[in-house]
Amino acid sequence: DIVMTQTPLSLSVTPGQPASISCKSSQSLLHSDGKTYLSWYLQKPGQSPQLLIYEISNRFSGVPNKFSGSGSGTDFTLKISRVEAEDVAVYYCMQSMQLPWTFGQGTKVEIK
Amino acid sequence: QVQLQESGPGLVKPSQTLSLTCTVSGGSIGGGAYYWTWIRQHPGKGLEWIGNIYKSGGTYYNPSLKSRVTISVDTSKNQFSLKLSFVTVADTAVYYCARVALAWLFIDSWGQGTLVTVSS
Repeated sequence: DIVMTQTPLSLSVTPGQPASISCKSSQSLLHSDGKTYLSWYLQKPGQSPQLLIYEISNRFSGVPNKFSGSGSGTDFTLKISRVEAEDVAVYYCMQSMQLPWTFGQGTKVEIK
Repeated sequence: QVQLQESGPGLVKPSQTLSLTCTVSGGSIGGGAYYWTWIRQHPGKGLEWIGNIYKSGGTYYNPSLKSRVTISVDTSKNQFSLKLSFVTVADTAVYYCARVALAWLFIDSWGQGTLVTVSS
């Protein structure tokens, strides 16, 4: 199985400040079809997860541009340019390059 | 906009079979290029992919659960289902059904989740 490792596991951010979450995979997520199947989800308290970013850096429909994704191969990053109270959530990366699909442990983002 | 809703018993006894159904509305399981998937979340923990099914009935399962899992689809009812046999307390979790866009393999729609507790 591909192991997805997120750091940090928790993050306390002053409102208006940026936040960055790292996700590293145990093997490259670049598929032979040329796509990199790495996506990011956020799960707000008491809610289901929701898609933020797919294929490393593509924002899903309706996702504000304060969220951005970057990376390649085995190293990926989710950035929030200016954290707001509504961004309090657990953020997960997921690989769907190889079965079984696997998630990172999650990074809890809180407001200071 | 597609919506998914899980249903089934919230309490299952050890060694019995957990059975859940996901009803899809606002879209047809038989149309479009999607996988239909089950994911679970142990209390206070992260997410675990259980398996996918395509509209034709083709399935992919997590090897860690493969011997106990069956996912099926009923396109006439616009539903897909999960069966997990020989459950233990370790199977206590919130179970989500969701939709996966085939072209990009991301999960674009999730059900609200249903807590299943395994206890005698």
